[in-house]
Amino acid sequence: NAGVTQTPKFRVLKTGQSMTLLCAQDMNHEYMYWYRQDPGMGLRLIHYSVGEGTTAKGEVPDGYNVSRLKKQNFLLGLESAAPSQTSVYFCASSWISITDTQYFGPGTRLTVL
Amino acid sequence: SQQGEEDPQALSIQEGENATMNCSYKTSINNLQWYRQNSGRGLVHLILIRSNEREKHSGRLRVTLDTSKKSSSLLITASRAADTASYFCATDSEYGNKLVFGAGTILRVKS
Repeated sequence: NAGVTQTPKFRVLKTGQSMTLLCAQDMNHEYMYWYRQDPGMGLRLIHYSVGEGTTAKGEVPDGYNVSRLKKQNFLLGLESAAPSQTSVYFCASSWISITDTQYFGPGTRLTVL
Repeated sequence: SQQGEEDPQALSIQEGENATMNCSYKTSINNLQWYRQNSGRGLVHLILIRSNEREKHSGRLRVTLDTSKKSSSLLITASRAADTASYFCATDSEYGNKLVFGAGTILRVKS
């Protein structure tokens, strides 16, 4: 089992550019999440999904969009990147509920210039 | 708003010593979890304790939960250099619709 994987691992964007982060899990989990981690602030939930075809807003959704077309994949899009979106992004998944044990990917370090 | 807050922010100990980290939260919870994050890596789940449990063990880890004080502690016994990491507590939010993570405790174990 690969668990939760994320691509890419690193990315540098210029302000205004767009990109998509891909998350994949092979544990057949229903729930998937995107977080961002900034120094001294812990993890903040961006968007999440409770099943294939569903998405919901988290704590800091502005500037991001998501899609869950397949159960194993959860995509995070930045349509017009801003320097404030410089962060480390983590994808996670869980099996039976949003407050159950979550399994995290290795992260994507994004820098927006 | 942050539900869980860890204390201390940073802790430095010698190998073989015990490390204790604390987490306080604001509203009632169903469960509390502890995660570890090594530098440059994703979070790894350590232990989950439910609101009706007072203590839980896993190897060298001991977690306690005091719901009357709205606090939890994570004890790592006989620490090793490999325990150097950030440790986060996470609780279900007031409305049960997400996990809320604290800012973490940075543990450094010197060999």
